[in-house]
Amino acid sequence: GAGVSQSPRYKVTKRGQDVALRCDPISGHVSLYWYRQALGQGPEFLTYFNYEAQQDKSGLPNDRFSAERPEGSISTLTIQRTEQRDSAMYRCASSLGTPYNEQFFGPGTRLTVL
Amino acid sequence: RKEVEQDPGPFNVPEGATVAFNCTYSNSASQSFFWYRQDCRKEPKLLMSVYSSGNEDGRFTAQLNRASQYISLLIRDSKLSDSATYLCVVNIDRKGSSNTGKLIFGQGTTLQVKP
Repeated sequence: GAGVSQSPRYKVTKRGQDVALRCDPISGHVSLYWYRQALGQGPEFLTYFNYEAQQDKSGLPNDRFSAERPEGSISTLTIQRTEQRDSAMYRCASSLGTPYNEQFFGPGTRLTVL
Repeated sequence: RKEVEQDPGPFNVPEGATVAFNCTYSNSASQSFFWYRQDCRKEPKLLMSVYSSGNEDGRFTAQLNRASQYISLLIRDSKLSDSATYLCVVNIDRKGSSNTGKLIFGQGTTLQVKP
């Protein structure tokens, strides 16, 4: 079956622009997670949802970052007024719903801010 | 101090060798533990969960020591295909919540298996 998909796969933007990153989880997966991964590091938690409810956003770096999942399926991570330090791989994952269920990761969106 | 610490390596071993990776975590509220594998330029994938009693999956053995807040992964009879980065992962239980889902990843340990 289809795995987690993310779009775009690559995004190059200029500093100060807003970007929206999309995640389409595995069908039927209740929980959806966003991570950011710098080169040579493990993924860093940003936020997660159960259905449409944002359960934890403690990892969002600042108020330029926001996420939504309005219908409990597709999610969008938005970064406003991008800065060069926002450049990273943004990964989405989904799971059946409990913390003990495996999280399946998407291929990621490579964001480069010039 | 990082919440999950790993030696980044790289570990360079010959085929057939046994190699062990260690990981320490700082938050005693951590509830569940995993090893994920990440191939170059790919997404992380679950390798195995780690249980207090220790668990084995083929050539892979994982151990957890809650008292020392220490997790290990042992790979026996290394194959070329085992070359990857191994990520130690813990799930933090937020007080009052039974379903946090928040995973904390270590930096990863890189393994290169040579012919």
